[in-house]
Amino acid sequence: GAGVSQSPRYKVAKRGQDVALRCDPISGHVSLFWYQQALGQGPEFLTYFQNEAQLDKSGLPSDRFFAERPEGSVSTLKIQRTQQEDSAVYLCASSLATQDSGNTIYFGEGSWLTVV
Amino acid sequence: GQNIDQPTEMTATEGAIVQINCTYQTSGFNGLFWYQQHAGEAPTFLSYNVLDGLEEKGRFSSFLSRSKGYSYLLLKELQMKDSASYLCAVRDSNYQLIWGAGTKLIIKP
Repeated sequence: GAGVSQSPRYKVAKRGQDVALRCDPISGHVSLFWYQQALGQGPEFLTYFQNEAQLDKSGLPSDRFFAERPEGSVSTLKIQRTQQEDSAVYLCASSLATQDSGNTIYFGEGSWLTVV
Repeated sequence: GQNIDQPTEMTATEGAIVQINCTYQTSGFNGLFWYQQHAGEAPTFLSYNVLDGLEEKGRFSSFLSRSKGYSYLLLKELQMKDSASYLCAVRDSNYQLIWGAGTKLIIKP
């Protein structure tokens, strides 16, 4: 696609509900990142995929957070038993090559999650 | 720990010049990025510095001094549409991006 596409754009979940956030990276991009951004803050790293391999998940805040990219393109971030502190914007980003290259990282518009 | 510092907010006048500073302390250095983020939108790439010096791109320039752990983003001929947050990010020795909290730039007519 022309850019990184994320869905849903906005999600309101009841506390305890499971949510799934989808990311369609730019076609052919090897690297895919998930970030969490709170209001007025910079993005916080969650996890990194190189093709279908999840090489770094050190930023996932708890075992309620799970991400996958089974065919090396579309990725899903799943949050189980959502809590109010999970309310944030979840940004997906992709880049053409591996993360140790100097390639630009392109962001999607984000999925705005509000847990009530 | 790793730390990126930027001013929280700056105000400037349309047509003027503004410099947004960023200082960093990271475990290793593999490049510094500046991104622009309008409210409710995705961050968009502005510049990338990996060597010391000034990179100029139209109205925007970015400077890096690795020995001082310092960068700045210079915006010239400010326009109202430049009102946004400007994010500084450093790629560390593990090639992970460490982000600052962003500088909210307010442009007044």
